Amino acid sequence: DTAVSQTPKYLVTQMGNDKSIKCEQNLGHDTMYWYKQDSKKFLKIMFSYNNKELIINETVPNRFSPKSPDKAHLNLHINSLELGDSAVYFCASSQQGPNQPQHFGDGTRLSIL
Amino acid sequence: DAKTTQPPSMDCAEGRAANLPCNHSTISGNEYVYWYRQIHSQGPQYIIHGLKNNETNEMASLIITEDRKSSTLILPHATLRDTAVYYCIVTDSGNTPLVFGKGTRLSVIA
Repeated sequence: DTAVSQTPKYLVTQMGNDKSIKCEQNLGHDTMYWYKQDSKKFLKIMFSYNNKELIINETVPNRFSPKSPDKAHLNLHINSLELGDSAVYFCASSQQGPNQPQHFGDGTRLSIL
Repeated sequence: DAKTTQPPSMDCAEGRAANLPCNHSTISGNEYVYWYRQIHSQGPQYIIHGLKNNETNEMASLIITEDRKSSTLILPHATLRDTAVYYCIVTDSGNTPLVFGKGTRLSVIA
């Protein structure tokens, strides 16, 4: 069974469209994250949620809106997509507390035409 | 910014031990050393972590110096499937967002 699953795996769309990426974890973790990996391969945190509440919101345009309907899900909605949004987006989860590793999904590859 | 320094790349012969170094001279007393790797086109994969003592699991061993300013990840018998970018990350809590540096690109050669 996949621990952290993301859908879709690939997303190709045009500039200006609105799209969503879904993430689900079946590990019973309290905390979920979205990371972005750009073309230079740097991985950076975007958002962090704990028990459905937003903890961290890095300097991300407000076109990006995460939503956590329950502890097991953290979706990412992106409005008015721009060329610079092309990247790989990774969802991750972890149990709360120290000494807890993060588990990552396999990523969603977003390409803006 | 990442709090760690790693060599950009390393090669290792298949079947030999791969020793990946990491410097974290500004590590705080409550910070752990975590290692992740990213195999091409996949999500980062947790390998191992430690605070002060050396650690071993089914994937690797982690050796942390006594002053905690550096560490070494050891893959005892590297295989071609271990070719990946390896990230050494210092963090004070498992659920604090990870700060990734550039990592070390390990190439295992047949």
